[in-house]
Amino acid sequence: NAGVTQTPKFQVLKTGQSMTLQCAQDMNHEYMSWYRQDPGMGLRLIHYSVGAGITDQGEVPNGYNVSRSTTEDFPLRLLSAAPSQTSVYFCASSPLSGGFSYEQYFGPGTRLTVT
Amino acid sequence: GESVGLHLPTLSVQEGDNSIINCAYSNSASDYFIWYKQESGKGPQFIIDIRSNMDKRQGQRVTVLLNKTVKHLSLQIAATQPGDSAVYFCAENRAGGTSYGKLTFGQGTILTVHP
Repeated sequence: NAGVTQTPKFQVLKTGQSMTLQCAQDMNHEYMSWYRQDPGMGLRLIHYSVGAGITDQGEVPNGYNVSRSTTEDFPLRLLSAAPSQTSVYFCASSPLSGGFSYEQYFGPGTRLTVT
Repeated sequence: GESVGLHLPTLSVQEGDNSIINCAYSNSASDYFIWYKQESGKGPQFIIDIRSNMDKRQGQRVTVLLNKTVKHLSLQIAATQPGDSAVYFCAENRAGGTSYGKLTFGQGTILTVHP
């Protein structure tokens, strides 16, 4: 198993550009999520999904879109990049047990800089 | 409100000592807690978790203690090794309803182990 994979590892964008961060998992996990991590802070939840076709907002969803067309993939779209979106982005997945997500497996992260 | 500090709490120990990392959680309704380890340039890695119906849980060289009265969580690492050097995050979640995997992360603690 490759686990949770993310591409690209690094990305530099200009303000106003759009892009998609890719996330894939091969563990057949129902639950997938996106977090951002800013310097000196913990991770904050952006969006999450409990299965194909089902997504919902987390703590900091503004400026980001997600979709979940398959169990394996959960891309994160930045619609119009802003310097405030400079951060490290982590994707995570976990199985659902009784409708609850326990241990989440994290990808290696994408470091995004917006100039 | 959320603290935006750039200076994480730090803990320095000598190799072979026991380490104790503390965490105060915010939501008295939280009933699932998890500790993650994050090495530089990598995604968070699961260490140990605990449900609110327990006050102690042991893993390999690690013990998590939960005090619901004062909303406090601690991670004890026995015989700390240089490879334990990392940032340690606690996270909380509330089972049931639509909470799913909405982990709320703490700020993190930097553990440095000196040979």
